[in-house]
Amino acid sequence: EDQVTQSPEALRLQEGESSSLNCSYTVSGLRGLFWYRQDPGKGPEFLFTLYSAGEEKEKERLKATLTKKESFLHITAPKPEDSATYLCAVPPGGATNKLIFGTGTLLAVQP
Amino acid sequence: DVKVTQSSRYLVKRTGEKVFLECVQDMDHENMFWYRQDPGLGLRLIYFSYDVKMKEKGDIPEGYSVSREKKERFSLILESASTNQTSMYLCATSQAGANVLTFGAGSRLTVL
Repeated sequence: EDQVTQSPEALRLQEGESSSLNCSYTVSGLRGLFWYRQDPGKGPEFLFTLYSAGEEKEKERLKATLTKKESFLHITAPKPEDSATYLCAVPPGGATNKLIFGTGTLLAVQP
Repeated sequence: DVKVTQSSRYLVKRTGEKVFLECVQDMDHENMFWYRQDPGLGLRLIYFSYDVKMKEKGDIPEGYSVSREKKERFSLILESASTNQTSMYLCATSQAGANVLTFGAGSRLTVL
């Protein structure tokens, strides 16, 4: 069964304290892994797509990496404005035009 | 910027009421989706549509129906609302063949 699992469920960091979020997936024939950011009371906002093992994408303090079984979202020297829920998603095997999501990691960055 | 507008941010309904959630997009995206989001369960796909008048069931379609009469508008219908349908409902769109979703702000539905 296609599955996406994120860990930890919640993470509290001090401002400047770097860390990583994990997204492990089980899907036949990966056709992209997607990271989204969701602020409270808002819809998710697209961050990155990764397509092949070894690929990396960066945006400000965020860097996403991909292996054959998991993806990491590295947060370097986070700021309070990085506080949000981070979601990852993959297209299920054999399907197009839709995504299955993990349950997300709630990140809180304290000043 | 693609804009996805959900007509109601907050709704409170009674058990058994019929509920309409509307979603309108202002770009020419072919695909439209309805997800619900619940704590600990994440986003789950209810229905999606890849063309006008076309619809496909997602993972949890029971108790819901949809309508897409125009390309820009996708409605989610709860024929007889129940308390277990209390949730955040999110509409999303994407271009044909693409999986990058653009989401609306969400509609938080409470069924009493």
